[in-house]
Amino acid sequence: ELKVEQNPLFLSMQEGKNYTIYCNYSTTSDRLYWYRQDPGKSLESLFVLLSNGAVKQEGRLMASLDTKARLSTLHITAAVHDLSATYFCAVDSYGGATNKLIFGTGTLLAVQP
Amino acid sequence: DAMVIQNPRYQVTQFGKPVTLSCSQTLNHNVMYWYQQKSSQAPKLLFHYYDKDFNNEADTPDNFQSRRPNTSFCFLDIRSPGLGDAAMYLCATSRDVTVESYEQYFGPGTRLTVT
Repeated sequence: ELKVEQNPLFLSMQEGKNYTIYCNYSTTSDRLYWYRQDPGKSLESLFVLLSNGAVKQEGRLMASLDTKARLSTLHITAAVHDLSATYFCAVDSYGGATNKLIFGTGTLLAVQP
Repeated sequence: DAMVIQNPRYQVTQFGKPVTLSCSQTLNHNVMYWYQQKSSQAPKLLFHYYDKDFNNEADTPDNFQSRRPNTSFCFLDIRSPGLGDAAMYLCATSRDVTVESYEQYFGPGTRLTVT
């Protein structure tokens, strides 16, 4: 059974600082997703990582995937308050024609001024 | 230009009273998914449709059913809601990944309250 773990579960950081969220998963998968969720809202897609060594960047966020280590990271550069949200990684456990996403536990990010 | 639409956005039902949540999409995607997300938890896949083929997750309670009358619409039926079914229900769609489209598009969600 695929398990997806994130750490930390909660992250309080100051504006301007850098930090990394880690996502570990237990079985082989080549598809990893990062989502953002604001309180009471749905999921917003941030990144889709499809191969070993994939790196994607959007603004202050950069995601990478190491399929051999079964590890993805979400790096935050020079955090701003607007990045405060819950971040989920998700791994596609199916490998067939459909996505079957298993979500990590989520990381609640609070950026303090 | 809403792509995945869920109705209603908020639903209050009584304990044991059947309720139906609706999802529609304008993307013409093959696959539609239903997720349950309880407070402060990660979303959990309940089931999905690949065209008309229904795929139930092994641990989805029998109380939850789904219908997909056509490509655009998918319904989640909760036959006898319990207090533990209070959650945000998220609908999502995707294309067949064999056409190298891997994105999953989420609707805004329906927040279900059971009284």
